[in-house]
Amino acid sequence: GQQVMQIPQYQHVQEGEDFTTYCNSSTTLSNIQWYKQRPGGHPVFLIQLVKSGEVKKQKRLTFQFGEAKKNSSLHITATQTTDVGTYFCAYSTNGNKLVFGAGTILRVKS
Amino acid sequence: DGGITQSPKYLFRKEGQNVTLSCEQNLNHDAMYWYRQDPGQGLRLIYYSQIVNDFQKGDIAEGYSVSREKKESFPLTVTSAQKNPTAFYLCASSRGQGDGYTFGSGTRLTVV
Repeated sequence: GQQVMQIPQYQHVQEGEDFTTYCNSSTTLSNIQWYKQRPGGHPVFLIQLVKSGEVKKQKRLTFQFGEAKKNSSLHITATQTTDVGTYFCAYSTNGNKLVFGAGTILRVKS
Repeated sequence: DGGITQSPKYLFRKEGQNVTLSCEQNLNHDAMYWYRQDPGQGLRLIYYSQIVNDFQKGDIAEGYSVSREKKESFPLTVTSAQKNPTAFYLCASSRGQGDGYTFGSGTRLTVV
């Protein structure tokens, strides 16, 4: 199936700095989901966006879905060491099959 | 507590052997999925099942087989035909279209 591109592949930030990962598609998506996978762990569902231009917040995390529904971003304000892990975007196709991006690995220096 | 249980956590297989990975959920979810994760890559879909006694191939089904005889269970067999089986295998479930996935803790399979 069609791929979604995630950038950057890897980011290392100082604790307290902000972090943003981007998810881009060449075609319109029906929805975007975001997951977090801690080192050695399994992906955990964070949120789903379905509407054009939608913005949702979870504490220090802000999720956006682009107006054209072709891109999405996850922004973390003032990163903490507990934020380390890999962040994946994914979109669902028929049958609720999820197609995942390659992920952005976040490392936080304390 | 509801959730998904995968076993074993670690599995070592000799070349030429078939092995079966267990996945059990008590969330009453209709849909279940198997994904494979390799380092530096995202998750790739192996098989999925939307209802009992029915399942469909995903993007990388070759060398794998599944069954869905019960709603709660979706075991994955990695056959000897799978050329590069060493990977992290993740099972997931969901209520259906548009619902987020709940993942199990995964099985790390290594061919020795």
